[in-house]
Amino acid sequence: DAKTTQPPSMDCAEGRAANLPCNHSTISGNEYVYWYRQIHSQGPQYIIHGLKNNETNEMASLIITEDRKSSTLILPHATLRDTAVYYCIVSAAKNTGNQFYFGTGTSLTVIP
Amino acid sequence: EAGVTQSPTHLIKTRGQQATLRCSPISGHTSVYWYQQALGLGLQFLLWYDEGEERNRGNFPPRFSGRQFPNYSSELNVNALELEDSALYLCASTRLGGELFFGEGSRLTVL
Repeated sequence: DAKTTQPPSMDCAEGRAANLPCNHSTISGNEYVYWYRQIHSQGPQYIIHGLKNNETNEMASLIITEDRKSSTLILPHATLRDTAVYYCIVSAAKNTGNQFYFGTGTSLTVIP
Repeated sequence: EAGVTQSPTHLIKTRGQQATLRCSPISGHTSVYWYQQALGLGLQFLLWYDEGEERNRGNFPPRFSGRQFPNYSSELNVNALELEDSALYLCASTRLGGELFFGEGSRLTVL
């Protein structure tokens, strides 16, 4: 079962930063935070993941609080193409494989 | 590099029939995950295969089953179809410990 809590929906003005929060208060020490997004019933797309340090890639930044109980995905300059459902997942990366449980995500609408 | 491929893209069946969905993982990936996404809902975990073995299954009845072949491709079978089985079925592959890469899904409609 999903171990994360996300707001069901958010709006963001085009060109502004979109900050998507996620609570994962029961996260274990060996569990990573992953973010995926799904555009209009296509297959979900991997965005970024992290353990305890902040991470940045060409798509987004991930800020994880020091106690690791919450995180924020930042899309620095949102475009209309970023309108999607964003899923936050916690999963332990092990040599025996990961368990990935998706919740209902946050539906982000980027407004022109 | 080819991504995860799923077939068929669309499938229409009637109640009581069986459906078979197929997934080819990315080359080098040994794990395959199956998810069900009913219209307007999130992804529900169905099955996880690795190295030919079923590693875990979600809270679905036994009429949902599958297998993974020696080439790591996978098949999902749904027997005795019910109307509520209508959904997008998503397959994802990964190397152990890595992130998931998804296919575009197979949309099953049960009439």
